[in-house]
Amino acid sequence: SQTIHQWPATLVQPVGSPLSLECTVEGTSNPNLYWYRQAAGRGLQLLFYSVGIGQISSEVPQNLSASRPQDRQFILSSKKLLLSDSGFYLCAWSLLNSGANVLTFGAGSRLTVL
Amino acid sequence: SQQGEEDPQALSIQEGENATMNCSYKTSINNLQWYRQNSGRGLVHLILIRSNEREKHSGRLRVTLDTSKKSSSLLITASRAADTASYFCATGAGSYQLTFGKGTKLSVIP
Repeated sequence: SQTIHQWPATLVQPVGSPLSLECTVEGTSNPNLYWYRQAAGRGLQLLFYSVGIGQISSEVPQNLSASRPQDRQFILSSKKLLLSDSGFYLCAWSLLNSGANVLTFGAGSRLTVL
Repeated sequence: SQQGEEDPQALSIQEGENATMNCSYKTSINNLQWYRQNSGRGLVHLILIRSNEREKHSGRLRVTLDTSKKSSSLLITASRAADTASYFCATGAGSYQLTFGKGTKLSVIP
């Protein structure tokens, strides 16, 4: 069976510090991978998605970047965090099946920038 | 940008009652999905309905889709305290992306 791991679960960082959130998927090959951000009381905002190694699509211009160094590894990074980067970050994977994309989410990483 | 908009934003009911949540969207879709999120956790997929379907059931869940009105509803019958969570609709247009709404926060009072 497939599993998705996301870490760290919580993170408190000062403004201007770097960020690295990691996500790995087990039990499947060539998944689509996603990073979403959820601000308090709001819906999910798609940040990045990847359909293959080294292929990253960015949805929102921002202070963040993503990389996919291996087939089942997706990393969200920032060189210098802003206060507005605080939020709940969710990694997800899917396999496009008959035109429908069902997402399986990780447990999330809560980032607080002070 | 977010396409799905859930209504109501919050819903509080007694255990055993039915809970109905609505979702409206703006553009053409290939499918619509509902997800559940317990507080502080990741989202869990509940049910998918394709654009050529009008109704779908899964256990105590019933989803309807009206593409002419660009709306969907999620009905949870005989609610339980464990159903307390936020519920999100997500629209797909056949590509890699899903667009989520802001969610309905459901509280089921024992």
